[in-house]
Amino acid sequence: AQTVTQSQPEMSVQEAETVTLSCTYDTSENNYYLFWYKQPPSRQMILVIRQEAYKQQNATENRFSVNFQKAAKSFSLKISDSQLGDTAMYFCAFISSNDYKLSFGAGTTVTVRA
Amino acid sequence: GAVVSQHPSWVICKSGTSVKIECRSLDFQATTMFWYRQFPKQSLMLMATSNEGSKATYEQGVEKDKFLINHASLTLSTLTVTSAHPEDSSFYICSAKPPGLAGLTDTQYFGPGTRLTVL
Repeated sequence: AQTVTQSQPEMSVQEAETVTLSCTYDTSENNYYLFWYKQPPSRQMILVIRQEAYKQQNATENRFSVNFQKAAKSFSLKISDSQLGDTAMYFCAFISSNDYKLSFGAGTTVTVRA
Repeated sequence: GAVVSQHPSWVICKSGTSVKIECRSLDFQATTMFWYRQFPKQSLMLMATSNEGSKATYEQGVEKDKFLINHASLTLSTLTVTSAHPEDSSFYICSAKPPGLAGLTDTQYFGPGTRLTVL
């Protein structure tokens, strides 16, 4: 079974600043995918960024980037130039290529202060 | 693309009644859909995997007779909470996985969720 650990329950960041969310996972699989999902107060889950384990290059989507360290089983998310609309709960998630079931971390609530 | 809808978004029912929640993939066909349950300020818990044309696969600890899942078409899965009780009150979210999209077969897209309150 795969486990996903997010050790930061809450984080606060000033608007325009940068915040980094940590995520570690445990798996014996070699082929898998990692995701960060955002859940704003509306509770709609929104895909933020996606990383294939076989790719060494870190994924980037506009102000969002990841630091994927496969050997360390670490997958952190950096939000640059934070905006008020980034206020949400962020979930790190893992899926293996074998069964396509998402395993979620406990989530990190990010609050962007004006 | 890859839009998933849920209906209703919010439902209140009396204890002992049944409630049906629909999950639709609007712009793609989904052979596989997933149903999650989420309590306030907590993570998503996978309840079951819904496969078109076959029986759903339930996660350990989820009562299949209480949470009936039907995936009758490639764009619709339904979750029926039977004989609902107050402890079934929760936020239910579905997701769907588009088949065959290059590089995206692993990505799940989520519906907006349904808030169920059982009185």
